[in-house]
Amino acid sequence: KNEVEQSPQNLTAQEGEFITINCSYSVGISALHWLQQHPGGGIVSLFMLSSGKKKHGRLIATINIQEKHSSLHITASHPRDSAVYICAVTSGTYKYIFGTGTRLKVLA
Amino acid sequence: KAGVTQTPRYLIKTRGQQVTLSCSPISGHRSVSWYQQTPGQGLQFLFEYFSETQRNKGNFPGRFSGRQFSNSRSEMNVSTLELGDSALYLCASREGGANVLTFGAGSRLTVL
Repeated sequence: KNEVEQSPQNLTAQEGEFITINCSYSVGISALHWLQQHPGGGIVSLFMLSSGKKKHGRLIATINIQEKHSSLHITASHPRDSAVYICAVTSGTYKYIFGTGTRLKVLA
Repeated sequence: KAGVTQTPRYLIKTRGQQVTLSCSPISGHRSVSWYQQTPGQGLQFLFEYFSETQRNKGNFPGRFSGRQFSNSRSEMNVSTLELGDSALYLCASREGGANVLTFGAGSRLTVL
């Protein structure tokens, strides 16, 4: 079993829909990260969380430390949101463990 | 502020050869980490350097090595290349105390 699990693996949505991507982890962490990877490979850090909730534009990330679970929400989705979203956790040693990613496609 | 620069962007090697990839971090960032991304295994952590010292290492064989120079630029080397080393190699930098990474565009290695 992977230490970081994401669901769903693939997601297709219509423009304007509310999207949720889930991440569960089984190790102790110092922080959880959400990353976005567009075709071509470039990766952008979206959020770093150690507790609670963060919001940036149409993106919202939440984390529940007791349940070892995080969610990434996209409101009013747009085709430009189409990308792979990757959850990663860091331990006190700054070693990153990555989920396998969620491939999101938003249709116009 | 310039981003993280990786060179070369694309390269093709044959089995048994070695390869060196370069990463120039954002100015002021003292930490550089390296990652391998393949379709089968996803993103995997290779190693991290901070102030010229390797601070952490992932589960890769000794053929994978790296170093960091006094100007924080880093190189990673893969010796005796195998077909399975074909991957996108990404580096990322961050300021010493922060955990937020800034990634480079990657070096795509194909081993024939």
